[in-house]
Amino acid sequence: QQQVKQSPQSLIVQKGGISIINCAYENTAFDYFPWYQQFPGKGPALLIAIRPDVSEKKEGRFTISFNKSAKQFSLHIMDSQPGDSATYFCAASKGGSEKLVFGKGTKLTVNP
Amino acid sequence: DAGVIQSPRHEVTEMGQEVTLRCKPISGHNSLFWYRQTMMRGLELLIYFNNNVPIDDSGMPEDRFSAKMPNASFSTLKIQPSEPRDSAVYFCASSLGYSNQPQHFGDGTRLSIL
Repeated sequence: QQQVKQSPQSLIVQKGGISIINCAYENTAFDYFPWYQQFPGKGPALLIAIRPDVSEKKEGRFTISFNKSAKQFSLHIMDSQPGDSATYFCAASKGGSEKLVFGKGTKLTVNP
Repeated sequence: DAGVIQSPRHEVTEMGQEVTLRCKPISGHNSLFWYRQTMMRGLELLIYFNNNVPIDDSGMPEDRFSAKMPNASFSTLKIQPSEPRDSAVYFCASSLGYSNQPQHFGDGTRLSIL
């Protein structure tokens, strides 16, 4: 049972372009939605997170858009750079719980 | 500051052998998580502890897997006996110990069971 569905599996973008990764969830009890970034040979690291009381959160070139009614959220990377090439995971957790459910990941390649 | 430290970084062993993975969480963090990452299943939570007490072990695949946290600065994940299907990257993560806090991951142990 996959509680958080992530797409696409892989994404290739040219330098300077916009990368968009989408996630969907079913459990309405989820109330915390982080994105993690993982480089080869390293563990995932928190990139940005959002709670459902806001529809958008921006940190530098990274933006999370959240659609509560559609139960979807997405990560936008503006002005994508080769250094952004990594695997990105969306995740979700229920209120009061530390337990994260991860999407399957998206491998992003930014070509120079 | 030191992050989460895992050892060994790589482990290759034969089927049937006992495997012990080790983790030192970030000092001051009260929660510790063990994850397994494979291409097929992605990143799966195996078990997590809060204040050294196991809170949720529903992700532990079977009785061959066990985890302990004898004190706030050390945890082990043990597989006995190991099987080829256990081959994966195992991550340990720690956090401050309440919801909506970042989980800080170690660099993982790449386990190969022959």
